Amino acid sequence: DAGVIQSPRHEVTEMGQEVTLRCKPISGHDYLFWYRQTMMRGLELLIYFNNNVPIDDSGMPEDRFSAKMPNASFSTLKIQPSEPRDSAVYFCASSLIAPPHSYEQYFGPGTRLTVT
Amino acid sequence: GESVGLHLPTLSVQEGDNSIINCAYSNSASDYFIWYKQESGKGPQFIIDIRSNMDKRQGQRVTVLLNKTVKHLSLQIAATQPGDSAVYFCAEAPFDQTGANNLFFGTGTRLTVIP
Repeated sequence: DAGVIQSPRHEVTEMGQEVTLRCKPISGHDYLFWYRQTMMRGLELLIYFNNNVPIDDSGMPEDRFSAKMPNASFSTLKIQPSEPRDSAVYFCASSLIAPPHSYEQYFGPGTRLTVT
Repeated sequence: GESVGLHLPTLSVQEGDNSIINCAYSNSASDYFIWYKQESGKGPQFIIDIRSNMDKRQGQRVTVLLNKTVKHLSLQIAATQPGDSAVYFCAEAPFDQTGANNLFFGTGTRLTVIP
């Protein structure tokens, strides 16, 4: 398995532009997570899905952020309009719930977003 | 102005020595704990996990210890190697009857192995 795939790996955009980050989870995984990592705040959960349905989006910073999961093999995180403070590394992770023994999440390589 | 970021605890060890990385958690209802390793430019990678009904679990060169009384978690790495240099995160998950597996991550500890 190729693991969790994210694209692009790097994104540089100007303030006010729309940014779309993409994720392909590991095949067969039921859960998909979007995280943001910054030096200021560390690793933060933004939103997660179970069977393509958003379960908890309380970590989404504001209405400029939106996430979708149209099918089991694809998810997007969109920022519109982008701002310099959105600059961070965005990780996607997936997991196969196997209660009660493991809640391991598999992370993608991340997308480094720079908003100028 | 100067940006203020997280001040990661750091640990430097000589190659071949054992490393101990500590983590304090705050939620006494947490049921599950996990350690991740993050190398520069990569996503976090699973190392080992432990449930709250255990106090010790061993893997390959790693051991996790859980002390629920003082809400403390530690990761021991035996015979530390240069490839172990990374930031290590502990994460906790509260018990959730719905089966949700939301993990809460700590700020991390940077381990540097000196050859």
